[in-house]
Amino acid sequence: EAGVTQFPSHSVIEKGQTVTLRCDPISGHDNLYWYRRVMGKEIKFLLHFVKESKQDESGMPNNRFLAERTGGTYSTLKVQPAELEDSGVYFCASSHGHNQPQHFGDGTRLSIL
Amino acid sequence: QKEVEQNSGPLSVPEGAIASLNCTYSDRGSQSFFWYRQYSGKSPELIMFIYSNGDKEDGRFTAQLNKASQYVSLLIRDSQPSDSATYLCAVKGFYFGSGTKLNVKP
Repeated sequence: EAGVTQFPSHSVIEKGQTVTLRCDPISGHDNLYWYRRVMGKEIKFLLHFVKESKQDESGMPNNRFLAERTGGTYSTLKVQPAELEDSGVYFCASSHGHNQPQHFGDGTRLSIL
Repeated sequence: QKEVEQNSGPLSVPEGAIASLNCTYSDRGSQSFFWYRQYSGKSPELIMFIYSNGDKEDGRFTAQLNKASQYVSLLIRDSQPSDSATYLCAVKGFYFGSGTKLNVKP
């Protein structure tokens, strides 16, 4: 069984540019989560999809962040325009059901210059 | 107040000893609790999950949950140098603590 895959593994962009992160969950996992870890801080929840629907997006920092999961398969997280404080590692995770163990991808390390 | 609190450590234990990692949480209604291990530069990896009060054992790992006191702990018996990592407590599936760094010295 393939695990959660994220792309790219590392992205370096300039302030003001746009970046799109992609997550492919484990096949059959309806629940997909996005997290961010800023250096030295805890992993912060961003949002939760159940299939293609946003179940909880209370952790999204502001309207520069847009997440989609068209068709209920892979998900994208777009940051537009990127700001310096958006730097960090963005993790995606998936699970069969909510409140069940999550499987994490390797993360995308985003650096904003 | 943070949802989940963990001592950042580092917690140092000699090889073969028991490592005890603790986590407290603020939402009394929380029903699901998870322990993840994260090696430096890697993604979190699930170790244990527990839903009911009491102990749950899996190999060298034991998770303990006390809902009345709002804490969950992870015991690692016969600690090995390969157990050296950051251990993350997660509550309700997606609220994470900042992690406790564990060093197991040979």
